[in-house]
Amino acid sequence: EAGVAQSPRYKIIEKRQSVAFWCNPISGHATLYWYQQILGQGPKLLIQFQNNGVVDDSQLPKDRFSAERLKGVDSTLKIQPAKLEDSAVYLCASSRYGVSTDTQYFGPGTRLTVL
Amino acid sequence: SQQGEEDPQALSIQEGENATMNCSYKTSINNLQWYRQNSGRGLVHLILIRSNEREKHSGRLRVTLDTSKKSSSLLITASRAADTASYFCATEANSGGSNYKLTFGKGTLLTVNP
Repeated sequence: EAGVAQSPRYKIIEKRQSVAFWCNPISGHATLYWYQQILGQGPKLLIQFQNNGVVDDSQLPKDRFSAERLKGVDSTLKIQPAKLEDSAVYLCASSRYGVSTDTQYFGPGTRLTVL
Repeated sequence: SQQGEEDPQALSIQEGENATMNCSYKTSINNLQWYRQNSGRGLVHLILIRSNEREKHSGRLRVTLDTSKKSSSLLITASRAADTASYFCATEANSGGSNYKLTFGKGTLLTVNP
């Protein structure tokens, strides 16, 4: 079974530029998550999708971050405009149903550096 | 916000020794999970313990949970160099309706020396 795919793996941009990340979850997984992991910290949930609907975006900075999951499969996360403090690894994860005890499977992440 | 806090922040041991990491949390949970992260394999789920369980084993891993103290521990026995990684505890709690959310701690960096 193929794992969660993410691209690009690395991205360097200047502040105030925009950037987009792409995620392809494990086939058949209904739930998709985007996490932000700042160096030295654990991942923080940004947004959770159930199929193509948002179920939790309480920690997404909506003035600059946006995400979509068209057709309930692939997802993109966008930052516009980027700030220095957005430098982090952005992890995508998926789970089969999104219910309690459901295992989340993580992708390799995209390392973003904002200069 | 970080729910779980791991202790110690870093741990260095020799191959063959046991490693123990602790996690404390603040609010009530459905379950607690441990994850491992290294550069080779990314973030990987290791083990889950439900709030009504006290101890769970998986291979060389042993997890305990004390809900009265809001704490958990992860024991890795007979450690190997390949166990070198950051270990995170993550608490799962209901975030509204039928939705559940994982909140991760800051992690413990384990180094196993050959």
